[in-house]
Amino acid sequence: AQSVAQPEDQVNVAEGNPLTVKCTYSVSGNPYLFWYVQYPNRGLQFLLKYITGDNLVKGSYGFEAEFNKSQTSFHLKKPSALVSDSALYFCAVRAYTGGFKTIFGAGTRLFVKA
Amino acid sequence: GAVVSQHPSRVICKSGTSVKIECRSLDFQATTMFWYRQFPKQSLMLMATSNEGSKATYEQGVEKDKFLINHASLTLSTLTVTSAHPEDSSFYICSARVEISGGAVNEQFFGPGTRLTVL
Repeated sequence: AQSVAQPEDQVNVAEGNPLTVKCTYSVSGNPYLFWYVQYPNRGLQFLLKYITGDNLVKGSYGFEAEFNKSQTSFHLKKPSALVSDSALYFCAVRAYTGGFKTIFGAGTRLFVKA
Repeated sequence: GAVVSQHPSRVICKSGTSVKIECRSLDFQATTMFWYRQFPKQSLMLMATSNEGSKATYEQGVEKDKFLINHASLTLSTLTVTSAHPEDSSFYICSARVEISGGAVNEQFFGPGTRLTVL
């Protein structure tokens, strides 16, 4: 069955340090992978996606994610965290399993401390 | 950036009634709009994808007759929750995709969401 796991409910990072928000998935076939962010009082925003091609995907606000097929992971990364990056992050996978379905992870709350 | 609006922002209705939620792209034309549902414990679900002038494509497991989607123009999509029940209470979010230069730029912008409460 298709699934997405964000193993950490919360990630705490000091400003200026690198951040990683983890995502692993389980699908049959080739997945499309996405990251979204939900800022407090600002709604949901699209960050980046992997469809095909280069495994390293660069997105908005300096974020990037690496598609690792062997580890079935799509971790979100940023070299230097900002306090303004504090938000709720969702990973999603889209695949065809008798019909297209997009599954979202439960979300990871990122806290960046000054 | 591009702006997507939703109306209403909050709606309370009685069980059995139908509720319509509008999603508008204010400063761009969106050939594709998406409808999501966010459950109380924050998880998201993509419900359907709508393309202007054609029928919506529903995700596996979403009831088409329950959640009617119409994408009448390049700036407006509507979601109608028919015969609403308390379990339909949720936060509904739309988004619009803009495609520029034959796919060279392909971004998705989200509306602020609509809180539906069915009594």
